[in-house]
Amino acid sequence: SQQGEEDPQALSIQEGENATMNCSYKTSINNLQWYRQNSGRGLVHLILIRSNEREKHSGRLRVTLDTSKKSSSLLITASRAADTASYFCATDGDTGGFKTIFGAGTRLFVKA
Amino acid sequence: DTGVSQDPRHKITKRGQNVTFRCDPISEHNRLYWYRQTLGQGPEFLTYFQNEAQLEKSRLLSDRFSAERPKGSFSTLEIQRTEQGDSAMYLCASSLERWTEAFFGQGTRLTVV
Repeated sequence: SQQGEEDPQALSIQEGENATMNCSYKTSINNLQWYRQNSGRGLVHLILIRSNEREKHSGRLRVTLDTSKKSSSLLITASRAADTASYFCATDGDTGGFKTIFGAGTRLFVKA
Repeated sequence: DTGVSQDPRHKITKRGQNVTFRCDPISEHNRLYWYRQTLGQGPEFLTYFQNEAQLEKSRLLSDRFSAERPKGSFSTLEIQRTEQGDSAMYLCASSLERWTEAFFGQGTRLTVV
């Protein structure tokens, strides 16, 4: 089963608005990553936040991490139609394994 | 370097046939991952290589699935006796270090008819 669970499953907003997506996970982690996937394409890495970090910025992206609540959020500011995609959070557990576990994703639709 | 490449991009096969996919990672990346993704779901981990060593396999990887990375460079994923439930996108990714960003290929979409 997937460790990361994104919320909401789908989000529709107008261009220029902000989009917030949330991710919850179950076990302790070393880091959490966010990826974007355009329809039928491969995943593109957006940002990585380590377990000892609380907030990270990259351009219009802002990621927060609350390890006490086992949750993360991705904020996309001033959204554009080109931001329309699926967004996934992914976690690397600290159990000594090697896999990265992805959630089911949030489908974002930005209307022009 | 053109990134992670996968071949073929699409494969249609009849049930019961064997298929093999290839992944060429970014050249300096010694870590390679295979994932499977079905419609509306996130990628599911299948297996991980560090150089030529296969260090982790998912329980999803049944006996019909085998992956190799013979010289620590490209990797192949073979599915024997394909079933309709194997229809999915098979994604390959590589990374430079453990627990760092992974770079994904465009995937191989398998359709079993």
